[in-house]
Amino acid sequence: DIQMTQSPSSLSASVGDRVTITCRASQGIRNDLGWYQQKPGKAPKRLISAASSLQSGVPSRFSGSGSGTEFTLTISSLQPEDFATYYCLQHNGYPWTFGQGTKVEIK
Amino acid sequence: EVQLVQSGAEVKKPGESLKISCKGSGYTFATYWIGWVRQMPGKGLEWMGMIYPSDSDTRYSPSFQGLVTISADKSISTAYLQWSSLRASDTAMYYCTRQTGEYWGQGALVTVSS
Repeated sequence: DIQMTQSPSSLSASVGDRVTITCRASQGIRNDLGWYQQKPGKAPKRLISAASSLQSGVPSRFSGSGSGTEFTLTISSLQPEDFATYYCLQHNGYPWTFGQGTKVEIK
Repeated sequence: EVQLVQSGAEVKKPGESLKISCKGSGYTFATYWIGWVRQMPGKGLEWMGMIYPSDSDTRYSPSFQGLVTISADKSISTAYLQWSSLRASDTAMYYCTRQTGEYWGQGALVTVSS
């Protein structure tokens, strides 16, 4: 199985802060990775596909980068509605695997 | 508009069987993979497996192989997740999702308790 190590597991940040979340794959996965946002009681929502493609309707403050084994999700200026849990998902090899999640909390 | 609509919450006893559903609309159901994702209370997302409705090609995570069965009926645009004998540890929210998570169902809460 391909292991996805996501860090940090949680972070506290203020509105306007720049936030970076990282996922590392245990082996190369090209750019077969997505980033998802989940708010309490809601289904996840995909923000980024193919490591760096912003989904339609997602604010441009979200961006993704990386290829191979290291990937990042960046929120350039954190907004109140961005407080949520974020996950990466690799779909390069079976079984697909999620990162452990990063909970972004208000400082 | 693409939609995945899941069946409702279920409360079951250990040992009982269960089949939950996910109905797709707004697209050609048969030609997109449908996956299932588990989220145990207060925990992260776990990919369980997926099915290609056109030919019922199915892939399972080893963690769930033999514990659940994924199926689909393309004639009614519906995918299923089923258990033959539930355990308390199956208590979780279950989501269906299309392909690589571009669309998600609303989730189905399964509670297994004696």
